[in-house]
Amino acid sequence: GENVEQHPSTLSVQEGDSAVIKCTYSDSASNYFPWYKQELGKRPQLIIDIRSNVGEKKDQRIAVTLNKTAKHFSLHITETQPEDSAVYFCAATNRPLGNKLVFGAGTILRVKS
Amino acid sequence: DAMVIQNPRYQVTQFGKPVTLSCSQTLNHNVMYWYQQKSSQAPKLLFHYYDKDFNNEADTPDNFQSRRPNTSFCFLDIRSPGLGDAAMYLCATSRDAGLAGAKNIQYFGAGTRLSVL
Repeated sequence: GENVEQHPSTLSVQEGDSAVIKCTYSDSASNYFPWYKQELGKRPQLIIDIRSNVGEKKDQRIAVTLNKTAKHFSLHITETQPEDSAVYFCAATNRPLGNKLVFGAGTILRVKS
Repeated sequence: DAMVIQNPRYQVTQFGKPVTLSCSQTLNHNVMYWYQQKSSQAPKLLFHYYDKDFNNEADTPDNFQSRRPNTSFCFLDIRSPGLGDAAMYLCATSRDAGLAGAKNIQYFGAGTRLSVL
């Protein structure tokens, strides 16, 4: 089955700096890669996603890149703000119909002001 | 307005005493999921319903059961909770139109934090 690895497990950045979180997946059939943000004690919320037919997607300060050949995808946050502090999970679907998400272990992002 | 609602937000039960967690949704999504999330870990899928079809994960203990009486509601039953079952339980929903490559974005509830004494 699919396996998703996520690095780093913790990331501290200064406010205004960029943050990059990387994930690798094992199943070449995976075709959808969402990123979820989970603030302390709250529900995971989708912040950005990308399909396998696209190499990059951007939404304001957040971008995701996908390298299908290398089977890895990354989350990029620019101009970080204290409210970006949270746990970020990457995920991948390993079925064409995409019902099951396989999550990475998560990255704790701390933005220091 | 909350679209995936979980009740209660906090549940305390005794070791071995059955407990039921509930989830309801106003999105009319056909797929509903139950995840277990322990501290500082990723959500772990326990099972999901695709319409009325129940799909259990291979490593989900028999102690965990689920019911989906209708589209809007889904329940998680823990028959004999152990100390190791203390966790946050997340419900999620998605719409699967049966299209290959579709996103099937999952919407999560706020979770129920279960404590086992």
